[in-house]
Amino acid sequence: SQQGEEDPQALSIQEGENATMNCSYKTSINNLQWYRQNSGRGLVHLILIRSNEREKHSGRLRVTLDTSKKSSSLLITASRAADTASYFCATVDSGGSNYKLTFGKGTLLTVNP
Amino acid sequence: GAGVSQSPSNKVTEKGKDVELRCDPISGHTALYWYRQSLGQGLEFLIYFQGNSAPDKSGLPSDRFSAERTGGSVSTLTIQRTQQEDSAVYLCASSGGPYNEQFFGPGTRLTVL
Repeated sequence: SQQGEEDPQALSIQEGENATMNCSYKTSINNLQWYRQNSGRGLVHLILIRSNEREKHSGRLRVTLDTSKKSSSLLITASRAADTASYFCATVDSGGSNYKLTFGKGTLLTVNP
Repeated sequence: GAGVSQSPSNKVTEKGKDVELRCDPISGHTALYWYRQSLGQGLEFLIYFQGNSAPDKSGLPSDRFSAERTGGSVSTLTIQRTQQEDSAVYLCASSGGPYNEQFFGPGTRLTVL
């Protein structure tokens, strides 16, 4: 079963706008990771946030984590056409294995030039 | 190598045939993972190798699926007597950091006719 559930399922914005994607999960986690996938092939690791962190930044990316609500958000600022991709959140559960990633079904982001 | 590589990139086979998919992880990474991504199913964990430990095979969907990792490096995923529902992109990942940030290969797109 999918642990993370992203919303929206699809998002279309204009270049320069900000894009926000959300992820909810069900269990206690060790960490949460965001990945990007272009054209249905390999995933690229974007950012990892640990369960004791609330916010993290990496370039134009900002990730927040609210463990009380079991949710995370990924913000991409000043979007570019090259940001067009599917974005997945993935969790590592704290109660089980410390390696198994459970992925959501992803948000398809389209950035229009 | 610089990243995770997989071969072949595409494989078309007939129902009932066996296929082998190969993964070369990042040099020095002790952990290796196989995932399957199919339409409507998202990313499914298949199997995990860590050093010399017994692999976690809990995600393999049937006994037609098997995987091995020789010498702690290259891994081969074998699907015997392929079925049409095996059609998917098979992704390999490796990790070596403390938080299991996973680095993915480009995937093998398997089509079973």
